[in-house]
Amino acid sequence: DTGVSQDPRHKITKRGQNVTFRCDPISEHNRLYWYRQTLGQGPEFLTYFQNEAQLEKSRLLSDRFSAERPKGSFSTLEIQRTEQGDSAMYLCASSLAGRNTGELFFGEGSRLTVL
Amino acid sequence: SQKIEQNSEALNIQEGKTATLTCNYTNYSPAYLQWYRQDPGRGPVFLLLIRENEKEKRKERLKVTFDTTLKQSLFHITASQPADSATYLCALGGMDSSYKLIFGSGTRLLVRP
Repeated sequence: DTGVSQDPRHKITKRGQNVTFRCDPISEHNRLYWYRQTLGQGPEFLTYFQNEAQLEKSRLLSDRFSAERPKGSFSTLEIQRTEQGDSAMYLCASSLAGRNTGELFFGEGSRLTVL
Repeated sequence: SQKIEQNSEALNIQEGKTATLTCNYTNYSPAYLQWYRQDPGRGPVFLLLIRENEKEKRKERLKVTFDTTLKQSLFHITASQPADSATYLCALGGMDSSYKLIFGSGTRLLVRP
């Protein structure tokens, strides 16, 4: 069990550019979540997948954001035409549906800075 | 709308004392509540879960209480250590099976040696 890994850990981009983040969950976990966290705030839910199906999207996820989990394993979160307000830590978490603890296993996050 | 409140001011205590952190919520009836620890620049780490029908949960030096009438959870760390210094996040989960969580903004704990 190598934990949830995210890549890149840090990304600095210019406004208007596209960025993509990758998340590799714990291998046996079928649930994968994306959260966004800004300084001094708690994580905010963006979207989640069960296997390859995207089951819920927050209204925070504008049409510039798209997430995929093509084979039910790793996931990508793409932000198109980045804006300065997109600067945040993007956290990925995974869990195993059916476990009664409901705990989420988070990665270390991908920090995005939009200049 | 749903709201979770945690003390925004840091809690500063002496090593060996008990730290007590508060989580209050409104406009929500959670099925369970979780506490996470987050160190600077790192992802949150799960600590404890307590369900709506449970009053108290313990794990080593940690204790969580859950009062659904007061809409409040208290998180205690006994015999606190400098290594306990971190931000502690409260998170609420609903009746659906998504395990989607709503997080508070966290309380920073500083334990002085």
